[in-house]
Amino acid sequence: DVKVTQSSRYLVKRTGEKVFLECVQDMDHENMFWYRQDPGLGLRLIYFSYDVKMKEKGDIPEGYSVSREKKERFSLILESASTNQTSMYLCASSLGQGGVYEQYFGPGTRLTVT
Amino acid sequence: LAKTTQPISMDSYEGQEVNITCSHNNIATNDYITWYQQFPSQGPRFIIQGYKTKVTNEVASLFIPADRKSSTLSLPRVSLSDTAVYYCLVGDVVSFQKLVFGTGTRLLVSP
Repeated sequence: DVKVTQSSRYLVKRTGEKVFLECVQDMDHENMFWYRQDPGLGLRLIYFSYDVKMKEKGDIPEGYSVSREKKERFSLILESASTNQTSMYLCASSLGQGGVYEQYFGPGTRLTVT
Repeated sequence: LAKTTQPISMDSYEGQEVNITCSHNNIATNDYITWYQQFPSQGPRFIIQGYKTKVTNEVASLFIPADRKSSTLSLPRVSLSDTAVYYCLVGDVVSFQKLVFGTGTRLLVSP
């Protein structure tokens, strides 16, 4: 059974802290994604990666960075957390190049920044 | 970008057929239409995908008219467990840059 896991289900951080959200997939997928999900706004793509050490900005990359040192692991980094980054963060992976390929999502991390 | 528009919410009763329509006026030739389902406290999961006409699987049917500017997800005889948010997504076989999820439709199924 395919699996995408995220390091935490719930996280509470203070303004200004550096925050790491980790995502691991066991499907040998080339592509990995980070989204944030907010009420009324749906899912918005932050960053994606199509290969190890490769990354591309999505729709809302400001305030975030990512790291992909190994194929199975994709990290989202908030360099200095702010309250407007309080959100649900979802990681996903897919096999093929292009948005048409099925994405497999993790359970999400609900981040609260106080 | 092929922006999608869906109703914010829909209500239904058990046993009824539910049709959720998604508008994507700027869809491009290489774009496919994919629907995802999301339960509370879970990530979205793939339901069905199509390019044109009709696609059916064990869960749902997807109807796409000839102009492809809209699509309709059809859930036959819904049950309480179909209560979820449904997302319409338009994407192509080449790029992730056009990957845009809509705001989703919250379906509530009542007894």
